[in-house]
Amino acid sequence: DIQMTQSPSSLSASVGDRVTITCQASQDISNYLNWYQQKPGKAPKLLIYDASNLKTGVPSRFSGSGSGTHFTFAISSLQPEDIATYFCQQYDDLPLTFGGGTKVEIK
Amino acid sequence: QVQLQESGPGLVKPSETLSLTCTVSGGSISRNYWNWIRQTPGERLEWIGNIFLSGSTNYNPPLKSRLTMSMDTSKNQFSLKLNSVTAADTAVYYCARGFGSCSGTSCSNYLDFWGQGALVIVSS
Repeated sequence: DIQMTQSPSSLSASVGDRVTITCQASQDISNYLNWYQQKPGKAPKLLIYDASNLKTGVPSRFSGSGSGTHFTFAISSLQPEDIATYFCQQYDDLPLTFGGGTKVEIK
Repeated sequence: QVQLQESGPGLVKPSETLSLTCTVSGGSISRNYWNWIRQTPGERLEWIGNIFLSGSTNYNPPLKSRLTMSMDTSKNQFSLKLNSVTAADTAVYYCARGFGSCSGTSCSNYLDFWGQGALVIVSS
C-alpha cells in the first residue's frame, strides 16, 4: 500500500494567517492526489483534485501544489469557517489511501 | 445535485454481519463507480472498496475475505456486507461516488459526493 504522511497533525493559527499542510507519499504518485475538508460531524468534502485543481465552487484561498512524493495544501488567508480537518488521498494505486489528517483551529 | 444516504443497523453483535445500503438520488448509479469508506474513532479514513456497473469490485486486501459489495440498479442502490465483525469494525461508514476521467495521458479520479455517514457499533 502507498503510505500517505501528513504534517502537522494539528495547527492553530489566527484569522487571516497563511496556513500550510504537507503530505508525503511513500512512492512516486505523479499528481494523483486529492485534498478533502471535513468539518465536525460531517462527511469529507472534495476541495482539490489532481494535486492543484480547485473544485468548482471552492474559494480561491485554497490551493494545492506538488508532484511525485511531496505535496502542499495552503489556505492563503484563514477564515473562521475553515475550521476543519484536512486529508490528502492518493489514487495512483489501489487501495486508495488517505493521510492521517490535519486539524486546523483558530488561535 | 447527487445525494447519497447510508442506511442500516447501528448496532451489530460480534461475529455477525454488518449490512449497509447506500441510496443514490439526483443521478444514476449506472454511471461512475461507487465506494465505501470508513472512519475509525481515531478519525483515520480507510477505503473499504468500490463497485462498478459491470459488477466488478475492488476490495481493500485486509477486508477482502469478509467483504461483499453489490448493486441494485432498479433501486439506484449499492450495498456492503462485512461478516465476522469485531470491535475493530466499529466506525462511521460512508458511501461515496467515484468520478474518473482521462484526457490524453492525464487522468483524474476523485470522490466527489459523499453520504452523511452511518455510525456502526460492534458490541454485544
